[in-house]
Amino acid sequence: GQQVMQIPQYQHVQEGEDFTTYCNSSTTLSNIQWYKQRPGGHPVFLIQLVKSGEVKKQKRLTFQFGEAKKNSSLHITATQTTDVGTYFCAGVRSGNTGKLIFGQGTTLQVKP
Amino acid sequence: KAGVTQTPRYLIKTRGQQVTLSCSPISGHRSVSWYQQTPGQGLQFLFEYFSETQRNKGNFPGRFSGRQFSNSRSEMNVSTLELGDSALYLCASGTTAGSYEQYFGPGTRLTVT
Repeated sequence: GQQVMQIPQYQHVQEGEDFTTYCNSSTTLSNIQWYKQRPGGHPVFLIQLVKSGEVKKQKRLTFQFGEAKKNSSLHITATQTTDVGTYFCAGVRSGNTGKLIFGQGTTLQVKP
Repeated sequence: KAGVTQTPRYLIKTRGQQVTLSCSPISGHRSVSWYQQTPGQGLQFLFEYFSETQRNKGNFPGRFSGRQFSNSRSEMNVSTLELGDSALYLCASGTTAGSYEQYFGPGTRLTVT
């Protein structure tokens, strides 16, 4: 079945360093979403990418969707302690609506 | 607008029992999806409902079932509980069928002993 792989599983950075998490799908995706889950919290929607090669920015966060619509990345510039949490990508296989497949998530720890 | 609400927030059950979890979506949202989150398996899709109809189903046994009411509120039922069913059950609502932008509730933490 469709799988969405996310790496790395964990990342520890010093505050101010950059951070990137990568998401790869075994099948072409119609879109990809990113969520953030703080410790003890629930996933919160960050963004959705739909177009091949799309790049979107939210302040220090940059999201990219690959040309083949099979991979995506989230890059955080100059991390802050408020960035701590687990970042999930979630994709929907092309032609299959409503069934979001989540990656395993990347847990980010930021040392002050 | 009020967010997605889930009740109860915490639940302890014993093996063999059944449990019903409730979810109230954001006002105006008609799509409700359920997910199971565990440390080992991550976030796994259970099912999605829209206008009282199940539109998609994940790879879970028939012990997991759900329904949606005319007011878009949804319930999830797990029968014959097993230890492995211990998890955080998250409900998410969306504006339309197959709505990819999911607004999650706080979840119900189910512990099976």
